[in-house]
Amino acid sequence: QVTLRESGPALVRPTQTLTLTCTFSGFSVSSSEIFVTWIRQPPGKTLEWLARVDWDGDTYYSTSLRTRLTISRDTSNNQVVLTMTNMDPADTATYYCARGIVTTNNLDSWGQGTLVTVSS
Amino acid sequence: DIQMTQSPSSLSASVGDRVTITCRASRSISTYLNWHQQKSGKAPKFLISAASTLQSGVPSRFRGSGSGTDFTLTISSLQPEDFATYYCQQTYSTSYTFGQGTRLEMK
Repeated sequence: QVTLRESGPALVRPTQTLTLTCTFSGFSVSSSEIFVTWIRQPPGKTLEWLARVDWDGDTYYSTSLRTRLTISRDTSNNQVVLTMTNMDPADTATYYCARGIVTTNNLDSWGQGTLVTVSS
Repeated sequence: DIQMTQSPSSLSASVGDRVTITCRASRSISTYLNWHQQKSGKAPKFLISAASTLQSGVPSRFRGSGSGTDFTLTISSLQPEDFATYYCQQTYSTSYTFGQGTRLEMK
């Protein structure tokens, strides 16, 4: 059974760096054709894709947020970490990690999400 | 980036009704179109891939169709558990753009 769970701070101050961890089970991020991705959803708004790390280590980033994001994987601990620098109140959102299939780009399993509020 | 536009943004319907949600891409995406269902306070659930392929466990009352720029999601006979927000998502490019969502509410 595939499961993903996001963890990180619930509250971040403006200008700080956010670090989120996605811990998963039921698959390996080094398994062929798998990727793990981060997506966020501001309250009452739609979903926005942020970043992706593939089974082979390749990474991809949102064009608009590229300069602020870093995604990395820890294959031994089944974790993927996302860092976002220079946080702003506009970054307040629920952050989800999800598993994807490289050949289809399908996001077939999602974590429950973690709400991050940016406020002083 | 490819823009995805859904209509309507909200829809009121009754149990047993047939409803259709439309999604339009800003340029052709072939059938690289997925649908997700999100219930209040929950993570999205993957419903349909490649415009029309139901995922395992998704009831047959859900139907996806379309190609190019125009796509539809039809629920043939609404059930109480179907009231949720539905998002289309393009998988043609890595930006994975989502539509703004269609909130399906009980009349």
